[in-house]
Amino acid sequence: GQNIDQPTEMTATEGAIVQINCTYQTSGFNGLFWYQQHAGEAPTFLSYNVLDGLEEKGRFSSFLSRSKGYSYLLLKELQMKDSASYLCAVTSKAAGNKLTFGGGTRVLVKP
Amino acid sequence: GAGVSQSPSNKVTEKGKDVELRCDPISGHTALYWYRQRLGQGLEFLIYFQGNSAPDKSGLPSDRFSAERTGESVSTLTIQRTQQEDSAVYLCASSQDSSLNEKLFFGSGTQLSVL
Repeated sequence: GQNIDQPTEMTATEGAIVQINCTYQTSGFNGLFWYQQHAGEAPTFLSYNVLDGLEEKGRFSSFLSRSKGYSYLLLKELQMKDSASYLCAVTSKAAGNKLTFGGGTRVLVKP
Repeated sequence: GAGVSQSPSNKVTEKGKDVELRCDPISGHTALYWYRQRLGQGLEFLIYFQGNSAPDKSGLPSDRFSAERTGESVSTLTIQRTQQEDSAVYLCASSQDSSLNEKLFFGSGTQLSVL
């Protein structure tokens, strides 16, 4: 099976940087996704990593190390609207390419 | 349609009744997922359809849960003899082709409350 771990909650200040870590254990890794979910809303896609390295997209960046089974999502210049849950999800060939989510990290941005 | 559509958006039922939840994926999307999300929790995988392949039912929590999909269109998730522990948001998502690691598009979910 797949095991995906991320912290439950993080608090940060407006304008600061927050890094959300995700570790995973899976057979036949095939890609890692990050989704954002505001309270009461559906998740929306943020980023996708399949090769090692950093993918930057505006204020958000995502990093992957396949050998370590590790990813992080970096949020820069935090804004109040970034308060949300951030979900790490993994696909693997062993699991038929289905997308399996971690428990999510709730980020609270304070003024 | 423009996005993934789920109905009803809210469902209140009595313990022991059956419920049926509907999902209309984005046209042309071959992969369709059902997830369950309890309050303050992450997404719990239930079932996954990919094209004409046999569905992956490994996440269904009990035999009271079942799902069907007609071709590459509408899917229904049925919960028989509902229990209070079934109360949650049920999210449907679709993607063009999961084998290509296409991103998922989620519906707004059905909030199920079992009294």
